[in-house]
Amino acid sequence: KQEVTQIPAALSVPEGENLVLNCSFTDSAIYNLQWFRQDPGKGLTSLLLIQSSQREQTSGRLNASLDKSSGRSTLYIAASQPGDSATYLCAAETYNTDKLIFGTGTRLQVFP
Amino acid sequence: GAVVSQHPSWVICKSGTSVKIECRSLDFQATTMFWYRQFPKQSLMLMATSNEGSKATYEQGVEKDKFLINHASLTLSTLTVTSAHPEDSSFYICSARDSTGLHTEAFFGQGTRLTVV
Repeated sequence: KQEVTQIPAALSVPEGENLVLNCSFTDSAIYNLQWFRQDPGKGLTSLLLIQSSQREQTSGRLNASLDKSSGRSTLYIAASQPGDSATYLCAAETYNTDKLIFGTGTRLQVFP
Repeated sequence: GAVVSQHPSWVICKSGTSVKIECRSLDFQATTMFWYRQFPKQSLMLMATSNEGSKATYEQGVEKDKFLINHASLTLSTLTVTSAHPEDSSFYICSARDSTGLHTEAFFGQGTRLTVV
């Protein structure tokens, strides 16, 4: 059974810092891994999708990497801004299922 | 990106009544939609997979008679919480993928905050 965990659970940093959020999954047989952002009381916004054949994806200040062999993905946020404050969730889609299994999330606060 | 619309965004109901939540894919077709439940400060837990034209597949521990799912068309799935009780109060979110591709990006609705009083 796929289990996805994220560390740290919470992070508070000053504006301008570069950040790394971690995601670990127990079953390396995945189709893809997706990173989401969730603002309080809102739905999820898709940030990046990494297919199993890819090693990383970039969008603006965000860069996500995938290492299937070690069961890890990282989300790198460059030059963080207060507007980046939110909860970040990773989710893995495992072989033979079209379900997304979500991690526990990282609550990020960027203060001015 | 693709848009998934969920309605209502919040609802308050009396204990014992039923509540219907709608999930629509606005600019793509989805043969499969997913329903999640989220408790405060926790991650999303998959409740069921909604399949167009067939019965939903429920995750272990989810009562199918309590959480009725209907996938009436390629763009609409509904979740009905029957005989709601205060412990059903939660944040419910739906998700859909474009049926034209496999293992594509998942898009989520805005969520529905259900409060049972």
